[in-house]
Amino acid sequence: DAGVIQSPRHEVTEMGQEVTLRCKPISGHNSLFWYRQTMMRGLELLIYFNNNVPIDDSGMPEDRFSAKMPNASFSTLKIQPSEPRDSAVYFCASSKNRGQETQYFGPGTRLLVL
Amino acid sequence: KNEVEQSPQNLTAQEGEFITINCSYSVGISALHWLQQHPGGGIVSLFMLSSGKKKHGRLIATINIQEKHSSLHITASHPRDSAVYICAVGSSGDKLTFGTGTRLAVRP
Repeated sequence: DAGVIQSPRHEVTEMGQEVTLRCKPISGHNSLFWYRQTMMRGLELLIYFNNNVPIDDSGMPEDRFSAKMPNASFSTLKIQPSEPRDSAVYFCASSKNRGQETQYFGPGTRLLVL
Repeated sequence: KNEVEQSPQNLTAQEGEFITINCSYSVGISALHWLQQHPGGGIVSLFMLSSGKKKHGRLIATINIQEKHSSLHITASHPRDSAVYICAVGSSGDKLTFGTGTRLAVRP
């Protein structure tokens, strides 16, 4: 299996621009997670889906952030408009089922907002 | 106070040494995870455990539910073990709460 795939791997953009991060989970996995990692706050859960349905989005920092999962093999995390404080590494992870399961992480997208 | 506390924050060891990283948590959990993040940034799940002990190669993870404490041990450490080790607890559903990580450097 190819593992969790994320794109782009690196993104540099200017403040105010829209940013879209993409994730393809491992085939057959029913849960998908979006995380953000910064030096100051470490790893934080932003939102997670189960069977394409958002279960908990309490970690989404504000309305500028939105996430979708239109089908079992694709999810997006969108920031509009982006701000410098959004600069971070964004990880997508997937797991087979709900509940406490091993999560498989993608390589991350390193975002820099100037 | 963070829900998940790790110690030490930084650790330097000589190749071959036995290493212990600790994780304490303050909430009831259904499982505890140990993750490894390499210098290149990738994150790998090492263990998920809810009781007792698990072993994989030179890595051993233990958990004491009553004391709300877990340890990750590395035997015969090697420079390729240099990474950040992250403890995470799952307390409700699928959500994980992460510790701040322990940065390990193993010198040859």
